[in-house]
Amino acid sequence: GQNIDQPTEMTATEGAIVQINCTYQTSGFNGLFWYQQHAGEAPTFLSYNVLDGLEEKGRFSSFLSRSKGYSYLLLKELQMKDSASYLCAVMDSNYQLIWGAGTKLIIKP
Amino acid sequence: GAVVSQHPSWVICKSGTSVKIECRSLDFQATTMFWYRQFPKQSLMLMATSNEGSKATYEQGVEKDKFLINHASLTLSTLTVTSAHPEDSSFYICSAREGGEPNQPQHFGDGTRLSIL
Repeated sequence: GQNIDQPTEMTATEGAIVQINCTYQTSGFNGLFWYQQHAGEAPTFLSYNVLDGLEEKGRFSSFLSRSKGYSYLLLKELQMKDSASYLCAVMDSNYQLIWGAGTKLIIKP
Repeated sequence: GAVVSQHPSWVICKSGTSVKIECRSLDFQATTMFWYRQFPKQSLMLMATSNEGSKATYEQGVEKDKFLINHASLTLSTLTVTSAHPEDSSFYICSAREGGEPNQPQHFGDGTRLSIL
């Protein structure tokens, strides 16, 4: 079966750095997406990785290793507004998005 | 860019009522739109994939006659929950894929919170 694993919840301190991991087993691979979802709101697109390596976008970076079935989202200089759920989603060989359950990130002052 | 508008944002209605939710891509054409359902503290559950000009593809376990989807133009898809009951109460979210390539990111509407009394 297809599976996406990410931690249920993480806690970090304002101003610090946090890394949210995602591992996947899917039938084929056509890219990995990270989305941010604040409570009660719809997800917003953060990043897309299809090749191995690190993609940097301001305070957020996303890394992919296809051979390991592994990705992480790195958030730097954490702000209180970064408190949200972070969803990892993988596009399989049929271009279907397989969603992880999300990681709830709690930022403390 | 890539703005998706979803209306209404909140609906409260009586059991047995049919509810229509609209999803519009405002600044791009969306050949494909998606309808999701999300229960509290759970991940997104894909209900159906809506393709412009053709019938929607429903996920296993989703009733086609219960959740009617119409994608009549490249910028509009609608989901109608027919004869809604309390168990249909949920957060419904649409998304639209920008461009014709299947690996393009999906952009989400703000969601519709549906409460059936």
